Parts: sequence; structure tokens; C-alpha cells
Amino acid sequence: AQSVTQLGSHVSVSEGALVLLRCNYSSSVPPYLFWYVQYPNQGLQLLLKYTTGATLVKGINGFEAEFKKSETSFHLTKPSAHMSDAAEYFCAVSDYYSGTYKYIFGTGTRLKVLA
Amino acid sequence: DGGITQSPKYLFRKEGQNVTLSCEQNLNHDAMYWYRQDPGQGLRLIYYSQIVNDFQKGDIAEGYSVSREKKESFPLTVTSAQKNPTAFYLCASRAGQGNRETQYFGPGTRLLVL
Repeated sequence: AQSVTQLGSHVSVSEGALVLLRCNYSSSVPPYLFWYVQYPNQGLQLLLKYTTGATLVKGINGFEAEFKKSETSFHLTKPSAHMSDAAEYFCAVSDYYSGTYKYIFGTGTRLKVLA
Repeated sequence: DGGITQSPKYLFRKEGQNVTLSCEQNLNHDAMYWYRQDPGQGLRLIYYSQIVNDFQKGDIAEGYSVSREKKESFPLTVTSAQKNPTAFYLCASRAGQGNRETQYFGPGTRLLVL
């Protein structure tokens, strides 16, 4: 079975600093990988996804992620943090099982942006 | 606007009571999902449905039931057998197949026990 590990349940950065949220996955086949963002008491919003092709994926709100097969990683980055980026971020891998795609989610990383 | 709606936003359950959470989508998606979210545990799959009148158990189905009588609707019932129902419940639907597939989420329902 596939699994997803997000290192660091809480990350704090200063406004304007680099954001780096880590995600590692285990998979025996090339995976589909996703990053979602969740604001308090709201649903999840898709930031970006990797399926095939270019390994550097650009998403909304200035975020991007790079698929590194050799490291089984899909870390999320943003060059300059904004106060509005404070939220919880989830990495997920799509697992094709019993005829359907199911998502395996990491436990989430809460990003705090300091003024 | 197309999207997924969940109601109510907050729901209170008394001991021994069954409660039903609503999930409706107008995206014309075939597949729908229910997740439970607890602090520090990410999202866990309760039930999913790939097509009308068909659904399968996810990883934590005990104490829950669903139906899928219409493509647009996938209600979740939290039964009295679910001893720890306090959580945030998220409904999702899936668009596409293969490398085009993506799950889209509703705004969630927070269930609290009185």
C-alpha cells in the first residue's frame, strides 16, 4: 500500500521568506501526487498536481513542487511567503485500488507566517 | 456556479441518535467520497461511490452508512454505533480518469456530540 509522510506538523516562516513543506511518498509505481491547502473550517482546495511530464509543477498562489523519483519526494515551495499563506497543507498520492482511484493523505503541515 | 455543497455546516448529535450529513454536487461527476478529518491524522476514507446505486467501504466505515440513489447526492449517516463521531467531515467528487483525475472537496460539516 502506498503511504505519504509529511515532515513537520508545524512550520513557521517570516513574511517574505522561502516556504518549504516536505512530502515523501512510498510507491512501487509512478504515482499521481497532489498538494491541497485548507483554511480554517473549510474544505480542501487543490494547489497543484503531478501526473506525467514535467517534474516541476506550478500551481496557484505562486506555489510549485518538484517530483523527484530518486528521492520519492514532492516538496512544496514558494519563494516569498505572504500572510495569506497561513493554512494547513496536505500532500496526497493517488492509489488505484479495486477499480477506483483513492487518495492517501499525509497528516498535514500547518504553516504559520510571522510578520 | 458548479461545485459541491455540504449541509449543515455544524451538526450536533445526542447520544444514541443517528444523524445524516448532506453532500450534493452539480459537477456531473460519477465518483464521490466521504472523509473524516481529525486533528493530526489527516483525512481518512469512510465510503466511496463510483456510480449510482453502488458504493464501497473505505478504511473506517464502521458506524457509518451511505446511499447513492442519485448522481448528484451522496448522503452520509453517522449511526449510534459510531462511538466517537466528533470530527470534521468532508465530501469530495472526482473528475476525470488516469492522469486527468482530480478530487474536488466540499466545505465540510463539523459534527459535535452533546
